[in-house]
Amino acid sequence: DTEVTQTPKHLVMGMTNKKSLKCEQHMGHRAMYWYKQKAKKPPELMFVYSYEKLSINESVPSRFSPECPNSSLLNLHLHALQPEDSALYLCASSLRLAGRGETQYFGPGTRLLVL
Amino acid sequence: AQKITQTQPGMFVQEKEAVTLDCTYDTSDPSYGLFWYKQPSSGEMIFLIYQGSYDQQNATEGRYSLNFQKARKSANLVISASQLGDSAMYFCAMRAIIQGAQKLVFGQGTRLTINP
Repeated sequence: DTEVTQTPKHLVMGMTNKKSLKCEQHMGHRAMYWYKQKAKKPPELMFVYSYEKLSINESVPSRFSPECPNSSLLNLHLHALQPEDSALYLCASSLRLAGRGETQYFGPGTRLLVL
Repeated sequence: AQKITQTQPGMFVQEKEAVTLDCTYDTSDPSYGLFWYKQPSSGEMIFLIYQGSYDQQNATEGRYSLNFQKARKSANLVISASQLGDSAMYFCAMRAIIQGAQKLVFGQGTRLTINP
């Protein structure tokens, strides 16, 4: 089972709104990730949590605030976003497997539109 | 620094034909991992196949195989007997370790279209 779930699937928000994206996995993976993906581009890493601690922040603006309440759950809190933040937001989690190294498994993503 | 290059922005292939998607990489690390992901229009990134730098044999997963040529720093994905459902964006990626955490470095992707 390599399922990562994300909610909501779609989100439309205004620039003054506060919203949150949710990501969940029950595979016992030790690391979780947030990516941002613009159309026709590869995903760009935003944050990495390892054992529930923030280990990488790729200089993401403070209007994006990650949270890892427990080993299965990852949130991304959004506040005062800009229209250029409209994108597909992907969550992933990873596990080291014999003969495979640490493989990331992705959720279906949240398509965000900021008006 | 690690870098992935995918030189084919788009490819068109007839159904049931085999297709090769190119990927070259650059790294100074002796130990590294290479991945291929498929991204349909729905958006989900689907893990396809992994090749470790010390693996002696090319990786295979069902209809997917990875043609790993270490000296040429290439890790091409081969899809045998292509199907309409293979139409998607394909990303080659390399694992980088930063501050003890894993980061994937992606190529720009190749959009594959399978024609009936």
